[in-house]
Amino acid sequence: QVQLQESGPGLVKPSETLSLTCSVSGDSISDYYWNWIRQPPGKGLEWIGDIYYTGSTNYNPSLKSRVTISVDTSRDQFSLKLRSMTAADTAVYYCARVYRGTFDSWGQGSLVTVSS
Amino acid sequence: QSVLTQPPSVSGAPGQRVTISCTGSSSNIGAAYDINWYQQFPGTAPKLLIYGTSNRPSGVPDRFSGSKSGTSASLAITGLQAEDEADYYCQSYDSRLSGYVFGGGTKVTVL
Repeated sequence: QVQLQESGPGLVKPSETLSLTCSVSGDSISDYYWNWIRQPPGKGLEWIGDIYYTGSTNYNPSLKSRVTISVDTSRDQFSLKLRSMTAADTAVYYCARVYRGTFDSWGQGSLVTVSS
Repeated sequence: QSVLTQPPSVSGAPGQRVTISCTGSSSNIGAAYDINWYQQFPGTAPKLLIYGTSNRPSGVPDRFSGSKSGTSASLAITGLQAEDEADYYCQSYDSRLSGYVFGGGTKVTVL
């Protein structure tokens, strides 16, 4: 059974860049799409973007100008960079696997707070 | 504002049946993309509840069922139990946005 684990800083200063990594274990990172999703405190889920193991990406149009998702198949990891962070980007960030259009496996989530 | 629209809350007494609607458009639900439902308890990650509109993953009680008609979908919980008190989210794919979309979430309260 696949397991996902987010890692990264819990606090980011305004205007800086958030960097998060998701480590995948229990299954190959190949042949799947790997996603980032976020959830502001008390609010709903927002899809950020995904990456195929080949490196092909898709991004939410509302975040596309600030987002980069990359993959490292040798380490079974994929990463998120979100630039120019503001308080509105404070959220729990989840990594998740997509299988046939379904988010079938999720990480536990990583709370990121934007504050000086 | 979410692309898929859900009621903020629904409630019911134990044993009752409640339904949660998820309204979309011709670029997502109406375009025949699958609808998936997730259950989320406070402080935890969402868990897949229904996939492909009406299929339950192994371990999900048959009290949970999904359906779709036109540009809307529904999640039904029959025989409501206290342990069903959680937030529920619908999710699909949107061809206009070329990405995945979620509903705003519905909080189910067991009276």
